[in-house]
Amino acid sequence: DAGVTQSPTHLIKTRGQQVTLRCSPKSGHDTVSWYQQALGQGPQFIFQYYEEEERQRGNFPDRFSGHQFPNYSSELNVNALLLGDSALYLCASSPGTIPQETQYFGPGTRLLVL
Amino acid sequence: SQQGEEDPQALSIQEGENATMNCSYKTSINNLQWYRQNSGRGLVHLILIRSNEREKHSGRLRVTLDTSKKSSSLLITASRAADTASYFCATAKAAGNKLTFGGGTRVLVKP
Repeated sequence: DAGVTQSPTHLIKTRGQQVTLRCSPKSGHDTVSWYQQALGQGPQFIFQYYEEEERQRGNFPDRFSGHQFPNYSSELNVNALLLGDSALYLCASSPGTIPQETQYFGPGTRLLVL
Repeated sequence: SQQGEEDPQALSIQEGENATMNCSYKTSINNLQWYRQNSGRGLVHLILIRSNEREKHSGRLRVTLDTSKKSSSLLITASRAADTASYFCATAKAAGNKLTFGGGTRVLVKP
C-alpha cells in the first residue's frame, strides 16, 4: 500500500517564475492538504481539497492555488515566485468522508527560489 | 501564524535518558497531535490525544493534555539515538480540520 507520494523531490526556480508541485494521496484517501514549512519552523497550512473543491484555506496570497483531480491527486501552483517562497512543501492526505484526525504526510518537495 | 509554542526549542540528552517537551496553544481544540520529522523530511504521526482525554501512552511515548492551561507534554522514555529528530505538536479545531503546528523541539540523543 503506497503512502503519500510527492514530486519532484527538489526544485530550483528563479524569482518571478511559476512552479507546480504534485501529490498523490494514500490509497483510500480523498482529502489532500498542503503545508509550507520554512527552514527551522513548523509547517503552515496552505489549503485543503476535497471532492475537487478547496474546502479550507490558510493565510496565503492568491499566488498560491491548487487543484484536485478526479483520482484525488492534487497540484499546488505558485505564481510570481518570491525568495520567501523557498521552503519544504508538504502534502498530507486523509479520508474526508469519515473525518479522521490523523493526516498522513508525504516526503515533501524542497523548493529553492533564487 | 503558529498556534502553539514549543519548549524547549532544542534538547540534548544521552541515550537512555528521558526527553520531555512541552507545547502550549491559544484556542479551543478538538485534538492535539505530535509528529516527528527527521532531517527536514516528511512528518511521521506519533500520537493523538483528544480534548476530553488527559493522558495517552504509545510504546515509549506518553502524552498529557491540560485543556485548562492549553498545554500538552510529550515524554519519550529510554531515548535512543534513532529518536534524534524534530518534534512538532499540532492542534485541530475539528476532526479532519487543518492542523496548526508549533515551532518544534529539536532533540539530539547522543550515543
